[in-house]
Formats: sequence, structure tokens, C-alpha cells
Amino acid sequence: KAGVTQTPRYLIKTRGQQVTLSCSPISGHRSVSWYQQTPGQGLQFLFEYFSETQRNKGNFPGRFSGRQFSNSRSEMNVSTLELGDSALYLCASSPLGGGAYEQYFGPGTRLTVT
Amino acid sequence: KQEVTQIPAALSVPEGENLVLNCSFTDSAIYNLQWFRQDPGKGLTSLLLIQSSQREQTSGRLNASLDKSSGRSTLYIAASQPGDSATYLCAVIPMAAGNKLTFGGGTRVLVKP
Repeated sequence: KAGVTQTPRYLIKTRGQQVTLSCSPISGHRSVSWYQQTPGQGLQFLFEYFSETQRNKGNFPGRFSGRQFSNSRSEMNVSTLELGDSALYLCASSPLGGGAYEQYFGPGTRLTVT
Repeated sequence: KQEVTQIPAALSVPEGENLVLNCSFTDSAIYNLQWFRQDPGKGLTSLLLIQSSQREQTSGRLNASLDKSSGRSTLYIAASQPGDSATYLCAVIPMAAGNKLTFGGGTRVLVKP
């Protein structure tokens, strides 16, 4: 089975621009979660989607948004980029919601904001 | 608010020595606990998942224990190898939090040949 894939792998953007990142979960998995990883804050939860519905949201400003499609693929969007948004963005997939299942992470998208 | 701590932040051992990595969490109301490995600049690789009703899980040279009442988990890696050098992260899923993982800061491990 193919693992979790994320595109693009690397991205350089300018302050004020917006960006869209994509995540394809493992086949058959319906839950996709997004995390931001920075050296200062570590791994922080952004949001979780299950069956096209946002189930959970972390403490990030409204500039961070996401969605999930009927095939479980998910996108996250960051508008009006700030320098502090530079980070590794990771997505994780799981068969179902509810917290009972192992979660599998993708390789991440490295976003650099200049 | 659930907090997860991993001490020490970094660890260096000679090849062949057993590794002991610690993880503590403040709220025992967890659904499960998962250990991950992260190589520099890469994503997370799942190592072990321990359900809250379990006391330990084993996979090859890896063994993880869970003591929910004291808020502790320990990951043991037997006979360490240079390829085990990486950052190890533990994460808990609090009750009623969906799939939201709360991570510790990680322990960076270096196994010297």
C-alpha cells in the first residue's frame, strides 16, 4: 500500500502571498490531520478532517484553513503569509476518527516565507 | 490542558548499548500513546501504538511500556545501532479529542559507532 503523500515537498513564498498544500492519505483512510512543526514550538496540531467535515481545530488564526474531498484527499491553505509561517507542514492519516487507530505521517512540505 | 514532556532532550550512547527514552504526560485520561521516529528534515515514522488499556507493546528490538496512572511511558531500544540515530517523539491522544495528537518535544539520539 502506498503511504501518505504530500505535495509539493518544498515551497518558497513571499510575505502576503497565499499557499495551498495537498495531502493524499493511505488508501481507505478517512481521517486526515495537519500539523505544523517549527524548531521553537515543536509539533502543533492544526486541524483534523473526517468524511469531508472538520472535526477538530487547533489554536491557529483564521488564515489557516483546510478542506477534505470525497476521496479523502485534503488541502490546507494559508492566506496572507507571514515570516513565522515558515515551517514543516505534516499531514497524518488514520482509518477512522476517534483516536483509537495508529496514525501515519507523510514526508511533509517545507514552506519558507521570505 | 494536556502537556507531554520528554527528558532528556538529547542523548548520546555507544553502539550496542540499550536505549531508554522517557515520556511523561500530565493528564491520565488518554485514548492511546504513540511513539514516532523522525530523521532530520523528514516526516514521522510510527514505531509503536499503545492503547490506554495496554501496559506494553513490542516490535523487534523496540519495547514500549505505559503506566497511565503515573503518566509515564518508556521506549526501550535494545542493542542500539548507528542507524537508530534520530529524534524520537511520543504523542498522546486525549479522551474525546478525535485524532488530535499532543506531542512531546522529542529526544534526539546519537548512537556512536
